[in-house]
Order: sequence, then structure tokens, then C-alpha cells
Amino acid sequence: NAGVTQTPKFRILKIGQSMTLQCTQDMNHNYMYWYRQDPGMGLKLIYYSVGAGITDKGEVPNGYNVSRSTTEDFPLRLELAAPSQTSVYFCASSYSRLAGDPSTDTQYFGPGTRLTVL
Amino acid sequence: GESVGLHLPTLSVQEGDNSIINCAYSNSASDYFIWYKQESGKGPQFIIDIRSNMDKRQGQRVTVLLNKTVKHLSLQIAATQPGDSAVYFCAENNPGANNLFFGTGTRLTVIP
Repeated sequence: NAGVTQTPKFRILKIGQSMTLQCTQDMNHNYMYWYRQDPGMGLKLIYYSVGAGITDKGEVPNGYNVSRSTTEDFPLRLELAAPSQTSVYFCASSYSRLAGDPSTDTQYFGPGTRLTVL
Repeated sequence: GESVGLHLPTLSVQEGDNSIINCAYSNSASDYFIWYKQESGKGPQFIIDIRSNMDKRQGQRVTVLLNKTVKHLSLQIAATQPGDSAVYFCAENNPGANNLFFGTGTRLTVIP
């Protein structure tokens, strides 16, 4: 298994540009998540999905959109990039969520995408 | 919102010593806590978790202690090794919320 893969690894955008961050997992996990990590800060949840066709907002969803057409893929879309969206973006997946079993609850993270908006 | 904080932003220990990383949380309703390790340039990696009905849980070289009275969580790493150098995050789950809340992290540096 490749686990969780993310592309691209790095990207520089100009203000107002748009882009899609790709995330794919091959573990047949139901749950997928997008986080952002600002320098010296913890992770903040942007959006998550409990299964194909179902998405929900996290803590900081403004400026982002997601879709989940398949179990494997969970792309994150930035429509009008702003400097405040400069961050490292992590995608994660888990089989279950808070079922009380770490073997299924554990979130597996991708390597991240470092995005700079100038 | 939630408040998950760490007492020390950095911690340096000698190789072979034990490390203790602390975390304070503010929501007494939180029922599940996780420690993650993040190495430079990588995504967070699950280390160990604990539910609120427990006060101690042990893994391989790691122990998590939960003190609900003072809302404090700690991660103990035994016989710290250079490969343990990383940033460690605690995260908490509040049953009323839809996501985990992460602390800002503590950078652990192991001195050979």
C-alpha cells in the first residue's frame, strides 16, 4: 500500500489564482480529512468526508471547497488564492472515527503540500 | 473554541534519558486524546491515544498519562533515541465537536 499520497509537494500561486490539491488513499478508508498547518501551529481541520458523496466543514473551511466522488480521492480546491492561505496542507484518512479502537480510528497522514500565495 | 496548549515549545534531552512532554487542555468534556509525532518535512504520525475513562496507557517505549482533575496530558518516552527528535502534538476530541483540536506542538531534540 502506498498509504496517503498528495500532489503537488510544493506550489507557488499568485493572488487570485486557483488550484486543486490532490489526495488519494489506497487503504479503503471511509474517512478523509484536509488540514492546514501554519508555521509553529497545530493542525486545523478544513473539511472532512465520511464517505463518497458526503463532505462536511471543519474548523476553517472558508476559501476552500472539496468533493468526494470516490472512496480513494478527496481533492481540495482553492478558488481565489489569498496570502492567508499560505500554509502546509495535509490530507489524512482513517477507517473509522472515534470508534474507540485505535487500529481503525488512527488517521494516516500524507506527506503534505507546501503552498505559498504571493 | 477548544484550547489545547503545550507548556514548553522546545525540549532537549540527552540520548538514553527519559523525555516528558506535557499538554494542557481546557474542555472537561473531551473524551479522547491522541499524541502525534511529526518529523521534519513529513505528515504527523500516530503514537498513542487514551480515552477519558483511563488515566494511563502504555505502548512501546511510550506512556501517556491523563489527569482529568487538572486537565493535563503527558507523553513519556523512555530511553530517548536520536530518531525520537521531532515535533510532538497532542490532540483532543470533544464529543460535541466534529473534529480533533491540535495543540501547537513541542519540539523534542535528542542530544547524542
